[in-house]
Amino acid sequence: DVKVTQSSRYLVKRTGEKVFLECVQDMDHENMFWYRQDPGLGLRLIYFSYDVKMKEKGDIPEGYSVSREKKERFSLILESASTNQTSMYLCASSPSGTGANEQFFGPGTRLTVL
Amino acid sequence: QKEVEQDPGPLSVPEGAIVSLNCTYSNSAFQYFMWYRQYSRKGPELLMYTYSSGNKEDGRFTAQVDKSSKYISLFIRDSQPSDSATYLCAMRWGAGANNLFFGTGTRLTVIP
Repeated sequence: DVKVTQSSRYLVKRTGEKVFLECVQDMDHENMFWYRQDPGLGLRLIYFSYDVKMKEKGDIPEGYSVSREKKERFSLILESASTNQTSMYLCASSPSGTGANEQFFGPGTRLTVL
Repeated sequence: QKEVEQDPGPLSVPEGAIVSLNCTYSNSAFQYFMWYRQYSRKGPELLMYTYSSGNKEDGRFTAQVDKSSKYISLFIRDSQPSDSATYLCAMRWGAGANNLFFGTGTRLTVIP
């Protein structure tokens, strides 16, 4: 059974803290993504990566950075967490080519920044 | 204007009803059209995938694409309480991994 796992389901952090969200996939997929999901705004792409050590900005990269040192692992970093980064964070992976139509999502991390 | 527009609902129907979920879009370059289903406290999962115009059926689900009207639909026949979820439409153009645009999702509740 294919799997995308995320390190935490729920996380509470304080303003200004550095936050790491980890994502691991076991499908040998080339592409990995980080989204945030907010009511009324849907899924918004933060960053994606199409290969190890490669990254591209999505629609809302400000305040975030990412790291992909290994093919199976994609990390999202909040350098200095702020309250407006309270959200549901979803990681996804997909194969390259037309297989990219199907993204496999993790269960999400509900982050609250106080 | 958003690339993809979707009525957020919520939508409540009795068990056994036919459900119609819809999205409109503005970019005529979209070629691939998808519906994802997201249960509460879970990530979205792909439900249906259609290339270009036409209909595609999978059990109780039918996906319909009308490119001339820039309109896609998902029909659920004989709806079940287990269909209660948020349904997100998605579409993309080209081969780029990041060319996937999601609707905001419609929350559906099927009442037993």
